[in-house]
Amino acid sequence: NAGVTQTPKFRILKIGQSMTLQCTQDMNHNYMYWYRQDPGMGLKLIYYSVGAGITDKGEVPNGYNVSRSTTEDFPLRLELAAPSQTSVYFCASSLGTSSSYEQYFGPGTRLTVT
Amino acid sequence: SQKIEQNSEALNIQEGKTATLTCNYTNYSPAYLQWYRQDPGRGPVFLLLIRENEKEKRKERLKVTFDTTLKQSLFHITASQPADSATYLCASLPFSGGYNKLIFGAGTRLAVHP
Repeated sequence: NAGVTQTPKFRILKIGQSMTLQCTQDMNHNYMYWYRQDPGMGLKLIYYSVGAGITDKGEVPNGYNVSRSTTEDFPLRLELAAPSQTSVYFCASSLGTSSSYEQYFGPGTRLTVT
Repeated sequence: SQKIEQNSEALNIQEGKTATLTCNYTNYSPAYLQWYRQDPGRGPVFLLLIRENEKEKRKERLKVTFDTTLKQSLFHITASQPADSATYLCASLPFSGGYNKLIFGAGTRLAVHP
C-alpha cells in the first residue's frame, strides 16, 4: 500500500515551459486535492476533485489545469510557467465521509521556475 | 475572509516539558479542526481531529482542545521528546464549506531540546 505518490520530486523549469505533475493514490479515495506551499504560508488549495470526471477550482487556480479520468490519478498541468509558480506542490486524497475526514498527503514536488 | 492563524515564531522547549501550540480562526465557524505534523521535505501527516461539539480529544501524548467562544484550538504534546521536533499545522473545515476543503494555517515549528 503506497498511499499517495507524486512525481517528480524536483524540477527546474524555464519561464514559459510547461509540465505535468503526476499524482496517484491506491486507497480508492474519491476526493483528491492539489496544494501549493510557499515559505511561511499555509497550504493553498489549487484544484480539487470529488470523483473521476469531476474537478473544480480552489483558492489559487490561475495558471494551472487538472483532469481526473480515473479514481487513482489526478495530474496537475502547468502551462507557460512563471516565477510566481516556484513552490512546493502537494497532492492529497481523502475518503471524505463523516467517519474519515483526514487527508493523506504525498511527499511533494519542489518546483523552481527561472 | 476566512482565516486561520498560528504563531509564526518557533516554539523551543526542553525535553520532558509540555508543548502547547495555538490555532486561532476568524470570520467563520469551523465544523471541525485538524492537526497535522510536517517534517522538513515531507508532506503533512494527520494527527488528530476535533469536532465543534467536542471540547477535548486525546491520543497517547497528544491532546487537542476546541473553544468556540475564544475561537481557538490548543494542541498539547506532553512529555515532549526531541523526536517531536517538527512543524505542526492546524486546518479547519468551515460549516459553509464542503468536499473536505480545508483552510490551513502556516504552521508553528516546534524544537524540543535534550
